[in-house]
Amino acid sequence: DGGITQSPKYLFRKEGQNVTLSCEQNLNHDAMYWYRQDPGQGLRLIYYSQIVNDFQKGDIAEGYSVSREKKESFPLTVTSAQKNPTAFYLCASSTGQKETQYFGPGTRLLVL
Amino acid sequence: KQEVTQIPAALSVPEGENLVLNCSFTDSAIYNLQWFRQDPGKGLTSLLLIQSSQREQTSGRLNASLDKSSGRSTLYIAASQPGDSATYLCAVTWGAQKLVFGQGTRLTINP
Repeated sequence: DGGITQSPKYLFRKEGQNVTLSCEQNLNHDAMYWYRQDPGQGLRLIYYSQIVNDFQKGDIAEGYSVSREKKESFPLTVTSAQKNPTAFYLCASSTGQKETQYFGPGTRLLVL
Repeated sequence: KQEVTQIPAALSVPEGENLVLNCSFTDSAIYNLQWFRQDPGKGLTSLLLIQSSQREQTSGRLNASLDKSSGRSTLYIAASQPGDSATYLCAVTWGAQKLVFGQGTRLTINP
């Protein structure tokens, strides 16, 4: 089955800890994205990547980092600099930046 | 500033009714507009994609229209069913080549 997988489904972070959210796709898509969703708000773009070994900041990149070493994978690290990390994180991919985006099931990050 | 707005935030209708969800955007120079569905605690599912040159797209009981001059799109759902209950999100791509999302309309279909 082709699709996008995200793990874990739930993630707990302690104060001062960095955590990494996984996103994998087997759709052979070039572009991948990370969004953050807060209650009552739409999705906001954190980072996006158009191609392997390249990525750009979105609207709310502060406190986050990414890598794109493989076409299939686009992990997101939530660093200790992100002071309000509790949110629902969604990963997406597409054939190109202006094409339909396909979303993973999401990871809910909670702070202990 | 390029923004997308969806009103109302929530809508409740009886089963079987036809309904319309609204989306407005601030800059008419869009590349495309997409409608997504999101079930509680889940990811997004793409419903319809309308290119800038198109006026509407249809998929089953869903029809999305686009009026760039007025900065509006509507999602029409015919013969609504309880399974249509979800949050519906509108998203626009402008020249910056990234999606800008509205806040969504939470739809409840009552049996």
